[in-house]
Amino acid sequence: GAVVSQHPSWVICKSGTSVKIECRSLDFQATTMFWYRQFPKQSLMLMATSNEGSKATYEQGVEKDKFLINHASLTLSTLTVTSAHPEDSSFYICSAYSGRVEPQHFGDGTRLSIL
Amino acid sequence: AQKVTQAQTEISVVEKEDVTLDCVYETRDTTYYLFWYKQPPSGELVFLIRRNSFDEQNEISGRYSWNFQKSTSSFNFTITASQVVDSAVYFCALSPLSGTYKYIFGTGTRLKVLA
Repeated sequence: GAVVSQHPSWVICKSGTSVKIECRSLDFQATTMFWYRQFPKQSLMLMATSNEGSKATYEQGVEKDKFLINHASLTLSTLTVTSAHPEDSSFYICSAYSGRVEPQHFGDGTRLSIL
Repeated sequence: AQKVTQAQTEISVVEKEDVTLDCVYETRDTTYYLFWYKQPPSGELVFLIRRNSFDEQNEISGRYSWNFQKSTSSFNFTITASQVVDSAVYFCALSPLSGTYKYIFGTGTRLKVLA
């Protein structure tokens, strides 16, 4: 089956640091990638939709300058949390979609802890 | 507006009991997909099933079965003879059949299967 690799799986860093999370589709071309955020014991909330070669579309309430998304190729999208603060600590999950009629393929997620 | 409701926040059962997880959805779309995902404590999302709104046939896969009733906008999930390994959070999700393919997730049901 299709595989999506998300890296890193776990990161701890100091407040004020910028953190980059990568999402790669390993065996298919992803025309669209999605980024989700999940707080403990809550559901997945869509942050943004990213299409290759174009600007990401952010959901209402998500700060574009805070969460920078780049989808430079059909196999890679990155989410950069800029000047991270403790309230940005969360579980971030990406998914990739090939454009065909099949489910989104999810990465294993990144646990981000900001001290 | 699109919405997915999982009214059961948490369910506890004893091993070998059957358990049904409820999912009710709202959408103005005439065609759509419904999904169930499992999220074990490790965090990754495990795809369980996708159902097209055209297809109201119930489905069985091993100990898992799904009951889709368009008339009541419900897509319930039953685990027969539950096992401790079934302990996880289960999410129901809805997406359009075309366009952005964005998922709308329910709030999830935490299932605890006790030995």
